[in-house]
Amino acid sequence: GDSVTQMEGPVTLSEEAFLTINCTYTATGYPSLFWYVQYPGEGLQLLLKATKADDKGSNKGFEATYRKETTSFHLEKGSVQVSDSAVYFCALSEKGNTPLVFGKGTRLSVIA
Amino acid sequence: DGGITQSPKYLFRKEGQNVTLSCEQNLNHDAMYWYRQDPGQGLRLIYYSQIVNDFQKGDIAEGYSVSREKKESFPLTVTSAQKNPTAFYLCASSIDQGSNQPQHFGDGTRLSIL
Repeated sequence: GDSVTQMEGPVTLSEEAFLTINCTYTATGYPSLFWYVQYPGEGLQLLLKATKADDKGSNKGFEATYRKETTSFHLEKGSVQVSDSAVYFCALSEKGNTPLVFGKGTRLSVIA
Repeated sequence: DGGITQSPKYLFRKEGQNVTLSCEQNLNHDAMYWYRQDPGQGLRLIYYSQIVNDFQKGDIAEGYSVSREKKESFPLTVTSAQKNPTAFYLCASSIDQGSNQPQHFGDGTRLSIL
């Protein structure tokens, strides 16, 4: 079945450091890919998405590119802030009537 | 403002008791979902519903039940058969289950055992 694998956390960075959170997926078809963010005590918020190969999703300084050849959707940000501290989830959705499949999440802590 | 409302934010259950978690959305979304979140395990799908009066089991449906009598409401009952119910429960909705549609989440209910 479909699956999403994220890098293990927690990840701790200093403010203004470069962020990469790796995400790879396994799917039978051509899924849409998503990154969600969860702040403490809250639900998940959609951060960005990409629906086909080579698409780049971006939002709030975060970017991720849909790489079909490496089945990856790595999340990047050039300069993190303390306010970016959260748990980040990678997810995919196949075409048709299937719910999202989530990775286990990566906790990011940014220190001043 | 449109959104998803989960209530209560915190809930306590006694041994042998059923409890019901509320989820209401005013986004006019067709599909709704329930997830369970445990530390280090990400989100696991409990039940989902594509339309009113229809729902399907997810990966961990045992010990849970749902109903979908109205488009805007998708309550989850945690029954006494669920032996380890302590977790954070998240409800979500989407316009439909098309692959391009993101899910919108509520703020969750944290369930604990007394």
